[in-house]
Amino acid sequence: AQSVAQPEDQVNVAEGNPLTVKCTYSVSGNPYLFWYVQYPNRGLQFLLKYITGDNLVKGSYGFEAEFNKSQTSFHLKKPSALVSDSALYFCAVRDMGTGFQKLVFGTGTRLLVSP
Amino acid sequence: DAMVIQNPRYQVTQFGKPVTLSCSQTLNHNVMYWYQQKSSQAPKLLFHYYDKDFNNEADTPDNFQSRRPNTSFCFLDIRSPGLGDAAMYLCATSRTGNQPQHFGDGTRLSIL
Repeated sequence: AQSVAQPEDQVNVAEGNPLTVKCTYSVSGNPYLFWYVQYPNRGLQFLLKYITGDNLVKGSYGFEAEFNKSQTSFHLKKPSALVSDSALYFCAVRDMGTGFQKLVFGTGTRLLVSP
Repeated sequence: DAMVIQNPRYQVTQFGKPVTLSCSQTLNHNVMYWYQQKSSQAPKLLFHYYDKDFNNEADTPDNFQSRRPNTSFCFLDIRSPGLGDAAMYLCATSRTGNQPQHFGDGTRLSIL
């Protein structure tokens, strides 16, 4: 079965500094990977996805993610963090095992950006 | 704006009293999903509809049912809610199984 792991429960960064939220994956075959963000009492918002092509994927709100096949990682990055980026971030992988392409989410990483 | 709308945002029910949560979409997407999310945990897929085809996850309790009367609407019925069913329930849609999912803002269910 496909899975993703988010090793950090929380990431703290100062506003203006670069941020990285880590995600590693375990899949059989080619991975389809996603990042979502969740603000308090809101649903998840799609940030970006990797299916094929360039290893650096650009998404919404200035976020990008780097796909690294040798390290089986798909870390989320942003060059300069904003206080408004503080939220819960989920990495997800498409699970092909059931015959329908459902998403399997990681456990989430809380990002806290301090002023 | 096209969107996924969940009503109500907050729902309180009594232990054992049936409750229905609703979801509507203006995206005309083929797939609609229901997730359960507890206290900042990862969303857990309960079931999904691909058009009219209903697909239940193997570990979804029998207490949870769903209806999709048309493309735009989908309902989550909890027949006899227990205290462990208190959670945020998220509805999502996607055009196909390959496409990103669009989420509503959820319904937070409390059980008294």
